[in-house]
Amino acid sequence: DIVMTQSPDSLAVSLGERATINCKSSQSVLYSSNNKNYLAWYQHKPGQPPKLLIYWASTRESGVPDRFSGSGSGTDFTLTISGLQAEDVAVYYCQQYYNTMYTFGQGTKLEIK
Amino acid sequence: QVQLQESGPGLVKPSQTLSLTCTVSGGSFNSGHHYWSWIRQPPGKGLEWIGYIYYSGTTYYNPSLKSRLTISVDTSKSQFSLKLSSVTAADTAVYYCARVPMNTAMVFDYWGQGTLVTVSS
Repeated sequence: DIVMTQSPDSLAVSLGERATINCKSSQSVLYSSNNKNYLAWYQHKPGQPPKLLIYWASTRESGVPDRFSGSGSGTDFTLTISGLQAEDVAVYYCQQYYNTMYTFGQGTKLEIK
Repeated sequence: QVQLQESGPGLVKPSQTLSLTCTVSGGSFNSGHHYWSWIRQPPGKGLEWIGYIYYSGTTYYNPSLKSRLTISVDTSKSQFSLKLSSVTAADTAVYYCARVPMNTAMVFDYWGQGTLVTVSS
């Protein structure tokens, strides 16, 4: 299995500031034949299902605000939320879909400072 | 707009079989362009992929659950189902069904609201 490890486990950021969440995979999720990283990010709020934010490591899902951005390649990835808003309070998960045995990171809880 | 809705018992006794159904509305179930998946989240823990099924019946299971797991499909009702046998308290979780597009990134793009299943006597 590909193990996904996020850091930090939790963080508190002031409104309007930048939040950065990291995700590291135990093996590369970059598929060499198409040069795509098989890495997605989800936002999970209490009482709601997770919401897809980003796939291919950096492609925003339709309707996702552009303050959410993804970067990285290979084994190291970052989700950045620029200009944090109150509605961004949630747990964020990375997920690899490089192989059929999909795995998620443990989650990062984002709060307002 | 695609919608998914989980249904099934919220309480299951240890050693029995957990059974859930996901009903898909919005017209994409038999298109052949998606897999249909189950994911769960134990209380206070992260997300775990359970498995998925294609409308033809082809399945892919999490190896850690494979011996106890059956996912099936009923195309006439636009439904797919989960059966997990010999459950223990460790199977207590919110169970989600979700859609996986085949022709782009195989991620979970639409989710049901989730249903809590508690394993307890």
